[in-house]
Amino acid sequence: NAGVTQTPKFQVLKTGQSMTLQCAQDMNHNSMYWYRQDPGMGLRLIYYSASEGTTDKGEVPNGYNVSRLNKREFSLRLESAAPSQTSVYFCASRGQGLDYGYTFGSGTRLTVV
Amino acid sequence: AQSVTQLDSHVSVSEGTPVLLRCNYSSSYSPSLFWYVQHPNKGLQLLLKYTSAATLVKGINGFEAEFKKSETSFHLTKPSAHMSDAAEYFCVVSAISDSSYKLIFGSGTRLLVRP
Repeated sequence: NAGVTQTPKFQVLKTGQSMTLQCAQDMNHNSMYWYRQDPGMGLRLIYYSASEGTTDKGEVPNGYNVSRLNKREFSLRLESAAPSQTSVYFCASRGQGLDYGYTFGSGTRLTVV
Repeated sequence: AQSVTQLDSHVSVSEGTPVLLRCNYSSSYSPSLFWYVQHPNKGLQLLLKYTSAATLVKGINGFEAEFKKSETSFHLTKPSAHMSDAAEYFCVVSAISDSSYKLIFGSGTRLLVRP
């Protein structure tokens, strides 16, 4: 099925551990995004990649790094996880055009203990 | 700068009654606006979008929204609520920064539908 695929779906980390969240899309979209969702705060943009080879900070980039490996894949890395990074993470991709909506992955629920 | 405010964090309606979820936006140019829905433990699904064409936008599952520039509003409505409409709804505005497009999310409105 076409869309955005995120792995893993669930993860529990200990404080200080590192991990990478994977995201891949098969819609040939140029732009990809990582958001985190916390109760009462909607979705906040962590990093985005407007095109292959470029990445930029969003609203809440501290504690994260990203890699746009190729046009399909955009990964999010936590180098040293903190309890404040407990959240649900969504990857999204976007096609071309002013009014093009986003397609979201199903999310990764991350708990840092 | 673009921003969006959802005026109610929770809305509770009875099944079969109308739904109104309120959203105001701020944008320095003519915006694109979206409503997304998120069912429990699920991802986000696009309900509808406004892109400077017709001001009354029809979406999936009987939802619609009206763009009112004079009021800077984009409220979501449905004539008759169904139990399956219980979910969280996000009003979203598109933003352009450094030639890149981003979505700015409201904080969400949780819709409860009572039997």
